[in-house]
Amino acid sequence: DIVLTQSPALAVSLGQRATISCRASQSVSISRYNLMHWYQQKPGQQPKLLIYRASNLASGIPARFSGSGSGTDFTLTINPVQADDIATYYCQQSRESPNTFGAGTKLELK
Amino acid sequence: EVQLVESGGGLVQPGRSLKLSCAASGFTFSNYYMAWVRQAPTKGLEWVASITNSGGSTYYRDSVKGRFTISRDNAKSTLYLQMDSLRSEDTATYYCTRDPRRAYIPGYYFDYWGQGVMVTVSS
Repeated sequence: DIVLTQSPALAVSLGQRATISCRASQSVSISRYNLMHWYQQKPGQQPKLLIYRASNLASGIPARFSGSGSGTDFTLTINPVQADDIATYYCQQSRESPNTFGAGTKLELK
Repeated sequence: EVQLVESGGGLVQPGRSLKLSCAASGFTFSNYYMAWVRQAPTKGLEWVASITNSGGSTYYRDSVKGRFTISRDNAKSTLYLQMDSLRSEDTATYYCTRDPRRAYIPGYYFDYWGQGVMVTVSS
């Protein structure tokens, strides 16, 4: 299975930029498609899709969220961070079956 | 508005069975693949099973293959997960999710999630 590695936590200040990384154990790209997706999960809530195929903003998601990357290295950027963004962020790959998720990065206030 | 509402969770003894349901609304259910994703307490997310829009093909993670069965009733816009021979490691919140994949674009993701239903396997 493809393993996705995320840092456990990231501390940021409100109004600053947050950069959350996800590294895959092998490439998750096919041709021009980067098959990495990002989700946000707040305590006690279901996950919410933020970004699909590395850089596409999901419906209703604010433009302060963006995604980039290809191959094995991907980044979710939140700029500027707002109080409502405090949550855990998961990456997911669908290059190979089974699709797999990272362990999550908990975004905390500095 | 897309809504996915799970039901059927609860406490069950190891080796017993449980069936989860997910009532879908706000979209044409028969046009979409669907999936179950679970999350053990204080843990991360884990895909469990998927089903094609017609129900003709199903896919499972290895650890549930032969024990779990995903199915759907398009007339009722309902997704199911029959869980047999349950183990303590199946204890988790189970989420019903929509998979908007298209045949001509590789990859898939989960664009809508239900609120989740808790399954606890314990004696």
